Amino acid sequence: SQQGEEDPQALSIQEGENATMNCSYKTSINNLQWYRQNSGRGLVHLILIRSNEREKHSGRLRVTLDTSKKSSSLLITASRAADTASYFCATDANNTDKLIFGTGTRLQVFP
Amino acid sequence: DTAVSQTPKYLVTQMGNDKSIKCEQNLGHDTMYWYKQDSKKFLKIMFSYNNKELIINETVPNRFSPKSPDKAHLNLHINSLELGDSAVYFCASSQDRPGAPQTQYFGPGTRLLVL
Repeated sequence: SQQGEEDPQALSIQEGENATMNCSYKTSINNLQWYRQNSGRGLVHLILIRSNEREKHSGRLRVTLDTSKKSSSLLITASRAADTASYFCATDANNTDKLIFGTGTRLQVFP
Repeated sequence: DTAVSQTPKYLVTQMGNDKSIKCEQNLGHDTMYWYKQDSKKFLKIMFSYNNKELIINETVPNRFSPKSPDKAHLNLHINSLELGDSAVYFCASSQDRPGAPQTQYFGPGTRLLVL
């Protein structure tokens, strides 16, 4: 399967703590994206990192990319209860128009 | 002013029935997609259309037939529904620019339950 894998599958933390999610993929990529899915809703794009970038920031989000290890991480700093959601990485596999989504990490932030 | 909308939001039907899900985007995007998300939250692409032309057709049973009347609409018709078709179906769209990565915008999903 081309599907990427994310770990952990589930993560529970207290408000104010940082949350780190990891994504591993299998093929060469041009870019990697992270999406968020609130329960019962569609996915929302969070951030994109290109294959020639190593780190990118957006507000409380920090994404890293290691193409040699075919892995990426998403760090959410100072988490809030409203960050509770599932987070998915997605890659443009083999330079196609198709996005391959990871298996997702379910994040629960307790107030 | 929903960017990508889907109808219906919920669909409960009997095995063997034929049903359609509609999707519309008002973003002016060229490309639209259908995804299936199963009970384990795995999200898998089914189809992709660019300017009404089929681009991606994954290994999907031919009971599933997408139809794009114009580039703002991509409907999904499912014949002879089976229990395994129960899932959440997401429509998405993106604007393709040469050399630029595509960001996809998702609809709210249609929860299909086949009894």
